[in-house]
Amino acid sequence: GENVEQHPSTLSVQEGDSAVIKCTYSDSASNYFPWYKQELGKRPQLIIDIRSNVGEKKDQRIAVTLNKTAKHFSLHITETQPEDSAVYFCAAPAGGTSYGKLTFGQGTILTVHP
Amino acid sequence: NAGVTQTPKFQVLKTGQSMTLQCAQDMNHEYMSWYRQDPGMGLRLIHYSVGAGITDQGEVPNGYNVSRSTTEDFPLRLLSAAPSQTSVYFCASSYSSPDNEQFFGPGTRLTVL
Repeated sequence: GENVEQHPSTLSVQEGDSAVIKCTYSDSASNYFPWYKQELGKRPQLIIDIRSNVGEKKDQRIAVTLNKTAKHFSLHITETQPEDSAVYFCAAPAGGTSYGKLTFGQGTILTVHP
Repeated sequence: NAGVTQTPKFQVLKTGQSMTLQCAQDMNHEYMSWYRQDPGMGLRLIHYSVGAGITDQGEVPNGYNVSRSTTEDFPLRLLSAAPSQTSVYFCASSYSSPDNEQFFGPGTRLTVL
């Protein structure tokens, strides 16, 4: 099955700085890579996703890049704000498409200091 | 739309007891899944379903059963609770087209003593 590794496990930045979280995956057939944000005590919520036919996708201050050859993808948050503080999870499907099942990374605790 | 709902929100069990965690969605999603979340381990897939009457095992299925008799409901049964099943349980659903966003329920926090 798919194996997803996520780094770093914790990340502390000053407000206004950029934050980068990296994930690697093992199944070369995977072609869908979502990122979820989970605030304390809340449910995970999708913030951005990317499919294998593109190398980068942006949504305001958030971007995701994908390198299929190296089997890694990264989340970039620019101009960080205190409300960006949360746990972030990357994920990938096993066998190409998700069909409602994902393998998640271990999570990154992001803290943005005012 | 209520989205994905889960009951109960909190539950304390004694070792050996059984119980059912309820999950329902009103978005007409074909795909539904159960995950457990433990500190430092992310979310791990327990069981999933691609439609009514169809279920399959995920990464950590032992000690859990599921059934999918309707599109809306996907209950998770703990057969004989063990302390290792202390966790937060999330149900999720998505449309049947591949690689659609999974919507998560609010979670059930389970403690097994």
